Amino acid sequence: TQLLEQSPQFLSIQEGENLTVYCNSSSVFSSLQWYRQEPGEGPVLLVTVVTGGEVKKLKRLTFQFGDARKDSSLHITAAQPGDTGLYLCAFSGAGSYQLTFGKGTKLSVIP
Amino acid sequence: GAGVSQTPSNKVTEKGKYVELRCDPISGHTALYWYRQSLGQGPEFLIYFQGTGAADDSGLPNDRFFAVRPEGSVSTLKIQRTERGDSAVYLCASSLTEAGHGYTFGSGTRLTVV
Repeated sequence: TQLLEQSPQFLSIQEGENLTVYCNSSSVFSSLQWYRQEPGEGPVLLVTVVTGGEVKKLKRLTFQFGDARKDSSLHITAAQPGDTGLYLCAFSGAGSYQLTFGKGTKLSVIP
Repeated sequence: GAGVSQTPSNKVTEKGKYVELRCDPISGHTALYWYRQSLGQGPEFLIYFQGTGAADDSGLPNDRFFAVRPEGSVSTLKIQRTERGDSAVYLCASSLTEAGHGYTFGSGTRLTVV
């Protein structure tokens, strides 16, 4: 069974600080997605990465897919209170419809 | 509609009762998924529909759980003889293709079995 480990589990930082969260597996992904989930809501897709070494930017968020396609990171620059939420990574196998999620990193950005 | 709609948003039921959870996907999305999210966990796959048929129900925990999508649009997740361990947020998602490259999730139904 291919499992995703996310770290840290919890992160509390001051507004304006930078942070990085990680998603790791022992197996190779065909693609990986990052979602953000706010309390009482469903996860919202942020990005999909499919190519090893790929870097994607979404405003202050930078997503990186490891060269070996076994890991990914999300870096947030100058965090804002609106970034607060649960950040989930998820993978699907080649041609698969089913997503496997990590447990997530719960981020709190304090004003 | 513009998004995936799930009703009810909250459901409290007594142990042993039957419940139905409804999902209305984005219009035109042929693929529909049900996931379950327990406290402190990521969503876990339950069942996937392509059109009217359940293409994969391998995630359903036992035979008390059943889902239908009779006309290829709205889906209903049915849970018989509910147990306290069934308490969780039940999430529905839909997508245009079955490749799993990015779903749109609904806000979920929070089920509490007392």
